[in-house]
Amino acid sequence: GNSVTQMEGPVTLSEEAFLTINCTYTATGYPSLFWYVQYPGEGLQLLLKATKADDKGSNKGFEATYRKETTSFHLEKGSVQVSDSAVYFCALEGASGYSTLTFGKGTMLLVSP
Amino acid sequence: NAGVTQTPKFRVLKTGQSMTLLCAQDMNHEYMYWYRQDPGMGLRLIHYSVGEGTTAKGEVPDGYNVSRLKKQNFLLGLESAAPSQTSVYFCASSYGTDSNQPQHFGDGTRLSIL
Repeated sequence: GNSVTQMEGPVTLSEEAFLTINCTYTATGYPSLFWYVQYPGEGLQLLLKATKADDKGSNKGFEATYRKETTSFHLEKGSVQVSDSAVYFCALEGASGYSTLTFGKGTMLLVSP
Repeated sequence: NAGVTQTPKFRVLKTGQSMTLLCAQDMNHEYMYWYRQDPGMGLRLIHYSVGEGTTAKGEVPDGYNVSRLKKQNFLLGLESAAPSQTSVYFCASSYGTDSNQPQHFGDGTRLSIL
């Protein structure tokens, strides 16, 4: 079956530091890949996505590249802000069947001034 | 623009009680989903619906029932609540299977079973 593995948190950074959150997946075929963000007390919001190999998703300074050869979709940001503090979820949507998402366990990011 | 609205936001139940969580969306989405979020577990799919009058089981359906009598509403029921069902429940909706139509989430319902 499909699965998503994320690095465990919390990830603690100072403002303006470089961020990487690792995500690898197991799936048959060519799934679509997503990063969702959850701010405290809120639901999940789509941050970015990629639907095929070598695609780069980007939004709000965050980027992730769909790497088929390493089955990875690592999230990066060059300079984090305090407002980026949240929980980040990597997810995949299977290549067949209905649009159900498989989520990783989430990685908490804490950014200090 | 309400999006996905979940009610209630918080609830405390005693073991064995029943309750229904309501999810309403105003985006005319065909697909709706119920997830539970537990510490260290991410989100796990309970049930989902691909259209009015349809429901299907997800990863962790036991102990829950759902109904989709109207396109805009998706109800999650607990017939006999158990402490293991203490969790944060999220509803989501989407247009369909196309990955260009992402899921939109509500703000969650925090449920405690004593």
